[in-house]
Amino acid sequence: AQSVTQLDSQVPVFEEAPVELRCNYSSSVSVYLFWYVQYPNQGLQLLLKYLSGSTLVKGINGFEAEFNKSQTSFHLRKPSVHISDTAEYFCAVSPPSGNTPLVFGKGTRLSVIA
Amino acid sequence: GAVVSQHPSWVICKSGTSVKIECRSLDFQATTMFWYRQFPKQSLMLMATSNEGSKATYEQGVEKDKFLINHASLTLSTLTVTSAHPEDSSFYICSARDPRQLSYNSPLHFGNGTRLTVT
Repeated sequence: AQSVTQLDSQVPVFEEAPVELRCNYSSSVSVYLFWYVQYPNQGLQLLLKYLSGSTLVKGINGFEAEFNKSQTSFHLRKPSVHISDTAEYFCAVSPPSGNTPLVFGKGTRLSVIA
Repeated sequence: GAVVSQHPSWVICKSGTSVKIECRSLDFQATTMFWYRQFPKQSLMLMATSNEGSKATYEQGVEKDKFLINHASLTLSTLTVTSAHPEDSSFYICSARDPRQLSYNSPLHFGNGTRLTVT
């Protein structure tokens, strides 16, 4: 079984400042990792994913994440945030085989302050 | 890209009535769809896996007689909340993978969710 821990439930940050949203996972097998963003009363939009290869993954909207196997982490970063980045961010994992559902972390609310 | 459409986006119903939520894959066929439930300011919890042409698989603690799932075609899955009560008020989201993408390990595509309020 897999589990995901997002250490920060809320992260306030000033506009144009950098941000890091933390994600750690636990699994007895290798996993694929994802970050999704959710705007109010909407579904989830994929930001980026790590399946294999380079551990630094670039996604949409200027976000990137780095997979660290030894630390079982997949932290999300952006060098300069905008007001429009205010949203809920979810880290998720899935096992590497089969059409299986994602297991989500509890989410991190990013609030960008003008 | 792959699109999942969910309808309605919001619904208000009276206690004791039933509500049907539809989830459609618009440009791909999905033999499997996943239904999640999200309480305010909380994460997404998997409710059930909907399988085309067969019974859905429910997660532990989810009442299958209360949350009826029907996956009648390769592009449509429905979730019916039967005899709804205020505690069923929540945000319900469906998702599916596009089999044309890299592999079954491609990301899930999500509908925009349905906000259910039971009065």
